[in-house]
Amino acid sequence: GENVEQHPSTLSVQEGDSAVIKCTYSDSASNYFPWYKQELGKRPQLIIDIRSNVGEKKDQRIAVTLNKTAKHFSLHITETQPEDSAVYFCAAFFSGGYNKLIFGAGTRLAVHP
Amino acid sequence: GAGVSQSPSNKVTEKGKDVELRCDPISGHTALYWYRQRLGQGLEFLIYFQGNSAPDKSGLPSDRFSAERTGESVSTLTIQRTQQEDSAVYLCASSGRAGATNEKLFFGSGTQLSVL
Repeated sequence: GENVEQHPSTLSVQEGDSAVIKCTYSDSASNYFPWYKQELGKRPQLIIDIRSNVGEKKDQRIAVTLNKTAKHFSLHITETQPEDSAVYFCAAFFSGGYNKLIFGAGTRLAVHP
Repeated sequence: GAGVSQSPSNKVTEKGKDVELRCDPISGHTALYWYRQRLGQGLEFLIYFQGNSAPDKSGLPSDRFSAERTGESVSTLTIQRTQQEDSAVYLCASSGRAGATNEKLFFGSGTQLSVL
């Protein structure tokens, strides 16, 4: 079935360090992989996404890499800041006559000053 | 409005009562999703609409849950005979303006449902 696994569930780093969150997906036909950030009490917001025709995408301090062969993708945050503290969700778009976005369980990132 | 709107923002109900949650998607968006988020948990897929039809209802937890969408706009999620385990934030999202990429989701702020 459709499944997205996300690790770690919690991540604690010092300000300025890097943070990496990893996800795997089950459907080899998936072709779109977004990452959402959810701050406490707020709605999820898209921060970056990648499509299956590219292997890496960067946007300032965040980057996402995709390995289609291994069916895994990762979020990299460099020079972390306290405002990066939030829950991060990866997701994969599953298609099979219809399209739906399935989310990982989330990673709670804490950046300590 | 400019974004996805959900109402009510908070709903407290007694066990056994029915509740109806409403979602107004971004105007013109063809796809509409409902997710459930229990406290401290991830986003659990419930149902997806493409236009007014729901090709995938596989996420609905039980037959107490139903959803409909009319006029390719407003959607309602109905929970009958609510149970305490239904307590969660119910998030709606929409995507897919005609001619645009159909995957980027825009979320509403959710309905916090508490079943006493």
